[in-house]
Amino acid sequence: QLQLQESGPGLVKPSETLSLTCTVSGDSISSSSTYWGWIRQPPGKGLEWIGSVYSIGSTYYTPSLKSRVAIFVDTSKNQFSLKLTSVTAADTAVYYCVRGITVFGVAGIWFDPWGQGTLVTVSS
Amino acid sequence: QSVLTQPPSVSGAPGQRVTISCTGTRSNIGAGYDVHWYQQVPGTAPKLLIYGNNNRPSGVPDRFSGSQSGTSASLAITGLQAEDEADYYCQSYDSSLSAWVFGGGTKLTVL
Repeated sequence: QLQLQESGPGLVKPSETLSLTCTVSGDSISSSSTYWGWIRQPPGKGLEWIGSVYSIGSTYYTPSLKSRVAIFVDTSKNQFSLKLTSVTAADTAVYYCVRGITVFGVAGIWFDPWGQGTLVTVSS
Repeated sequence: QSVLTQPPSVSGAPGQRVTISCTGTRSNIGAGYDVHWYQQVPGTAPKLLIYGNNNRPSGVPDRFSGSQSGTSASLAITGLQAEDEADYYCQSYDSSLSAWVFGGGTKLTVL
C-alpha cells in the first residue's frame, strides 16, 4: 500500500527557504500516469494546491507561488521535494505531500493518498 | 476567496440526507473538468471520497455519492452517521489559472 511521509524543519525564519521532502513507500516514484505534489493548509483555513511534478520531469505550479517554488524528484531515493523561497508568515501552514492520479489527462488529476502533513511555522 | 464556492456549513440529524454544493465557472466545472471530493476529520489529513465526479474509491461507503451538472457539482450523504462529521472539500481544474483548485470547504455537523 502506497504511503507518503513528509519530513523537514518545523520552523523557518522569514525571508529564508522552506525545504520539505516526501518519502514514497509501496510504489515507484517513476510510475506512469502519476504526479507527485504538495498541498498546504494554513491553520483554520482551506486547502491550496502548490504544485505537482510528473516523474519524468514536467512541473506545474500554482500561479501565485510560481516565482518562489520548485518541486523536484529524486528517483534514486524514491523521494520528491519542495522548496519555497523568501517565506513570510503567510506561508505558515500544514504541508501535505500527495500523489496525483489521472486516467484521461493531466487536468483530471485527483489526489490520493495524502501524507499525514507537517506543520511549518514561519517566525523569527 | 476560493475559485470553487461551497457553503461554509451544513447540518443534519442521524439517518438524514444532506447535500453539499460546489459552484464553479465556465473555466473549471463548466468546462467539463472532473470534480473530486475529500473528507477531512479534524486533526487528520484529507481523504479521497469521490473521484471523477461520481466514483467511490474502495472502502468508501455507498452512502456517499457525487454528481455534476453545468457549472456545479454536489456531494450527497445519505443515512447520516456521527462519524460523518468532518470538513468536505471539492476539487477540480481551472483552465484560466492552469491550476488545480479547491473549494473553501464545508463543515458538516451531525446533530
